[in-house]
Amino acid sequence: KAGVTQTPRYLIKTRGQQVTLSCSPISGHRSVSWYQQTPGQGLQFLFEYFSETQRNKGNFPGRFSGRQFSNSRSEMNVSTLELGDSALYLCASSFTTSSYEQYFGPGTRLTVT
Amino acid sequence: KNQVEQSPQSLIILEGKNCTLQCNYTVSPFSNLRWYKQDTGRGPVSLTIMTFSENTKSNGRYTATLDADTKQSSLHITASQLSDSASYICVVISSNDYKLSFGAGTTVTVRA
Repeated sequence: KAGVTQTPRYLIKTRGQQVTLSCSPISGHRSVSWYQQTPGQGLQFLFEYFSETQRNKGNFPGRFSGRQFSNSRSEMNVSTLELGDSALYLCASSFTTSSYEQYFGPGTRLTVT
Repeated sequence: KNQVEQSPQSLIILEGKNCTLQCNYTVSPFSNLRWYKQDTGRGPVSLTIMTFSENTKSNGRYTATLDADTKQSSLHITASQLSDSASYICVVISSNDYKLSFGAGTTVTVRA
């Protein structure tokens, strides 16, 4: 069974630009959660999608948004990038909701210059 | 506010030695507690998942314990190997709203 895949793996953007990250969950999983990980803050929850609906949202500004498609694939978008958005963005999938066991992808390393 | 605190922040051990990582939490009531291992630059991988009724769970050389009364969990690594060098993250899931609370992690460095 293929694991969670994230694309791209590495990304360099300039301040003010926008970026879209993609996550393909494990086949059969309907929940996708997104996390931001920085050395100083650790893992921080961005949002969770289940059956194309946002189920939970963390404390991030509106520049961070996401969506989930009917095949459970998910994208997150960050607009008007700031230097502080440089981080490892992880997505995790689970069979139903994040309260069940989650499987993480390898992450997308975003660098904002 | 639900909190998860891990200690120590980092530790260095010699190959073959044992070590214990601590996780204290205030999440209550909780659904389950998880330990993850995260290698540098990669996504976390689940080591153990324990419900409130479980006291101990093992996964190879990793053994997690849970004391729901004192709201403490520990992860014990036996006979450490160089490949155990990683960050170990404790996560507690609330049974009220099923939100995940993450600890900041403990960075373990195993030296030959």
